[in-house]
Amino acid sequence: NAGVTQTPKFQVLKTGQSMTLQCAQDMNHNSMYWYRQDPGMGLRLIYYSASEGTTDKGEVPNGYNVSRLNKREFSLRLESAAPSQTSVYFCASSEAGYRASSEQYFGPGTRLTVT
Amino acid sequence: AQSVTQPDIHITVSEGASLELRCNYSYGATPYLFWYVQSPGQGLQLLLKYFSGDTLVQGIKGFEAEFKRSQSSFNLRKPSVHWSDAAEYFCALLPGSYKLIFGSGTRLLVRP
Repeated sequence: NAGVTQTPKFQVLKTGQSMTLQCAQDMNHNSMYWYRQDPGMGLRLIYYSASEGTTDKGEVPNGYNVSRLNKREFSLRLESAAPSQTSVYFCASSEAGYRASSEQYFGPGTRLTVT
Repeated sequence: AQSVTQPDIHITVSEGASLELRCNYSYGATPYLFWYVQSPGQGLQLLLKYFSGDTLVQGIKGFEAEFKRSQSSFNLRKPSVHWSDAAEYFCALLPGSYKLIFGSGTRLLVRP
């Protein structure tokens, strides 16, 4: 099993450009998440999808959109990138989002720089 | 408010020495707590978790953590640190839902 995979690994964008970060998991998990990691701030939740067909905002959703394409895939889109979105983005998945004991598994991350 | 505090931004220990990383949480009910490790350029790997029961939890790579409700703490320990343990460590709280709340992390440096 590959676990959680993310593409691309690195990306440089100019301000105003758009792009989509891809995430896929092969663990048959129901819930998927997008986080951003900034120095000294830990990880903050951008959006999550508790189950296929549902998405909800997390702590820092502004400037982002998501699509739960199917059970395996959860993409994050930046419509008009801003320098404040320079960050490392992590996708995660868990077996059952509504069950509190469900641990989350993380992908390797995408390092995004917006100039 | 629900929160996780890791008071130490950096910790340096000598190889072979013992280690304790501090984590304090704020939550009104029984918490679900995790420790994750992140090696440079990598994603997060789960070290251990506490859901209920025994307050001393064993994890991978020789790590353990002790849940102390009276102190709202979940400190991570290892009796003898190896150079490969150099990484960033995150404590996280799952407050009865799927939204993990992370601390800001502690970077561990290991002296040879």
